[in-house]
Amino acid sequence: DQQVKQNSPSLSVQEGRISILNCDYTNSMFDYFLWYKKYPAEGPTFLISISSIKDKNEDGRFTVFLNKSAKHLSLHIVPSQPGDSAVYFCAAAYGKLTFGQGTILTVHP
Amino acid sequence: NAGVMQNPRHLVRRRGQEARLRCSPMKGHSHVYWYRQLPEEGLKFMVYLQKENIIDESGMPKERFSAEFPKEGPSILRIQQVVRGDSAAYFCASSPGQGGSPLHFGNGTRLTVT
Repeated sequence: DQQVKQNSPSLSVQEGRISILNCDYTNSMFDYFLWYKKYPAEGPTFLISISSIKDKNEDGRFTVFLNKSAKHLSLHIVPSQPGDSAVYFCAAAYGKLTFGQGTILTVHP
Repeated sequence: NAGVMQNPRHLVRRRGQEARLRCSPMKGHSHVYWYRQLPEEGLKFMVYLQKENIIDESGMPKERFSAEFPKEGPSILRIQQVVRGDSAAYFCASSPGQGGSPLHFGNGTRLTVT
């Protein structure tokens, strides 16, 4: 039972453009949502989070949007940079964190 | 200000041997989580521990796997009688408390069973 889904295995974007990564969840009990970035052979690194009482949180080039009625979460990166190329995981929390399968983002110079 | 430390980084075991993976949480963190990443898959929750207590082990296989977080020393994930299907990257994460705190991950232990 995949409670957190990232339906796009990969995304390719030109440098300077916007990257939009999407995530859907099924469990309405989740009350905290996070995005992590992961490079090969490293652990996931926390990027940005949002509480279920908010619908938007912004941190520099990264903005997370939460649509609770649609049970949908998205991460916007603007402008995208080649160093952003990595695997991005969304995660949802109700006690423990449940992760999506990840989306490989490639930003081309 | 050391982050989450995991060792070893790489571990090779033959089928039937035991694997011990260690995790030292960040300073001041008393909550430890173990996750497993199989090839081409996301991170799967295994177990959540506080000092001397297992809080949630709903993701742990029923047999051969155990975890502890003693009062002193690192958290240990132990896999007995390893099989090829146990080959994966095992990540430990820590947090200062439950709810509203992002987890901080170590760089993982890559277990290969030959």
